[in-house]
Amino acid sequence: SQTIHQWPATLVQPVGSPLSLECTVEGTSNPNLYWYRQAAGRGLQLLFYSVGIGQISSEVPQNLSASRPQDRQFILSSKKLLLSDSGFYLCAWSRLAGIGGTPLHFGNGTRLTVT
Amino acid sequence: QKEVEQNSGPLSVPEGAIASLNCTYSDRGSQSFFWYRQYSGKSPELIMFIYSNGDKEDGRFTAQLNKASQYVSLLIRDSQPSDSATYLCAPVNQGGKLIFGQGTELSVKP
Repeated sequence: SQTIHQWPATLVQPVGSPLSLECTVEGTSNPNLYWYRQAAGRGLQLLFYSVGIGQISSEVPQNLSASRPQDRQFILSSKKLLLSDSGFYLCAWSRLAGIGGTPLHFGNGTRLTVT
Repeated sequence: QKEVEQNSGPLSVPEGAIASLNCTYSDRGSQSFFWYRQYSGKSPELIMFIYSNGDKEDGRFTAQLNKASQYVSLLIRDSQPSDSATYLCAPVNQGGKLIFGQGTELSVKP
């Protein structure tokens, strides 16, 4: 069966510090991978998605970036965190989308607090 | 107009009652619809999906879809306190991406 691992679970970082969140998927190959952010009391905001190694699409311009160095590894980064980057970061995967779409499966999330 | 609209709630129902969660969407090209449940502080988990107009039942859950009205709903029968969570509606847009609503908070009172 497929599993998705995301770490760390919680993170407290000062403003201006760098960020690296990692996500890996097991049990499937060539998944679509996604990074979402959920601010307190808000909906899920799609940040990045990837359909293959080195292929990253950005949904929202900001000081975050994403990379996919391996088929089942997805990394979210920032060079300098802002207070507004605080939130719940979720990695998700899906199978290759056919007609009608396929569901997303989420990792356990990383709760980031920028102080 | 928001792409996906849900009443934020909280929707409060007594234990054993039917909870009705509603969602409207703007993309007429949406063909698939997913419902996720999110407990406080946890990640969303998939509970139902529906592709065709009409009803789809899975245990205590029933999803209802009316594409002409751009409306999808989730019914929870015999609601339990463990059903207390936020329920997210997610249509798939014409680009193949899931678009999430803000979610409806459900509270089931013992």
